[in-house]
Amino acid sequence: AQSVTQPDIHITVSEGASLELRCNYSYGATPYLFWYVQSPGQGLQLLLKYFSGDTLVQGIKGFEAEFKRSQSSFNLRKPSVHWSDAAEYFCAVGVSNFGNEKLTFGTGTRLTIIP
Amino acid sequence: GAGVSQSPRYKVAKRGQDVALRCDPISGHVSLFWYQQALGQGPEFLTYFQNEAQLDKSGLPSDRFFAERPEGSVSTLKIQRTQQEDSAVYLCASSLAGGSIEQYFGPGTRLTVT
Repeated sequence: AQSVTQPDIHITVSEGASLELRCNYSYGATPYLFWYVQSPGQGLQLLLKYFSGDTLVQGIKGFEAEFKRSQSSFNLRKPSVHWSDAAEYFCAVGVSNFGNEKLTFGTGTRLTIIP
Repeated sequence: GAGVSQSPRYKVAKRGQDVALRCDPISGHVSLFWYQQALGQGPEFLTYFQNEAQLDKSGLPSDRFFAERPEGSVSTLKIQRTQQEDSAVYLCASSLAGGSIEQYFGPGTRLTVT
């Protein structure tokens, strides 16, 4: 079964600084990988996804992520954070089989932005 | 277009009461998922429908949890005899077709059992 580890529970970054959120996964084959963002009281919004091909994927709001098979990682990056990026970020791995399409999420990383 | 909607947004139930949570997926989406998100945790899979067929219910924590999607659109998650450990946010997601793994999430229903 697949699993996801987000080792950082809480990260604080100054506005304008760069950001990297870590994600490691465990899965026997090439996974489908996702990053979602959740603001307080809101549902999950998809930031970006990796299915195949180019290992550097671009997403919305200026985010990008790099799939590294050798490290089983899919870290999320942003060159310069904005105060509105403060939220909870979830990495997820998915399997696409008819009858079993569930996502497995990490425990999340809470991002705080300081002025 | 309209996204996934869920109702009610908040529900307070006394222990032992039954509750029903509704999900309206994006029109035309074949697949529908329910997830449970406990406080401070990531969402955890409960069950999956393809049209009206419930193809995976391996995540339902007990037989008090029941989900249905009788006409292949709206879905209801029912929890009987609620317990305090059922307190969580229940998220619904839909995707366009079987095999399409990009899921769109609703805002969730926050259930508090007192």
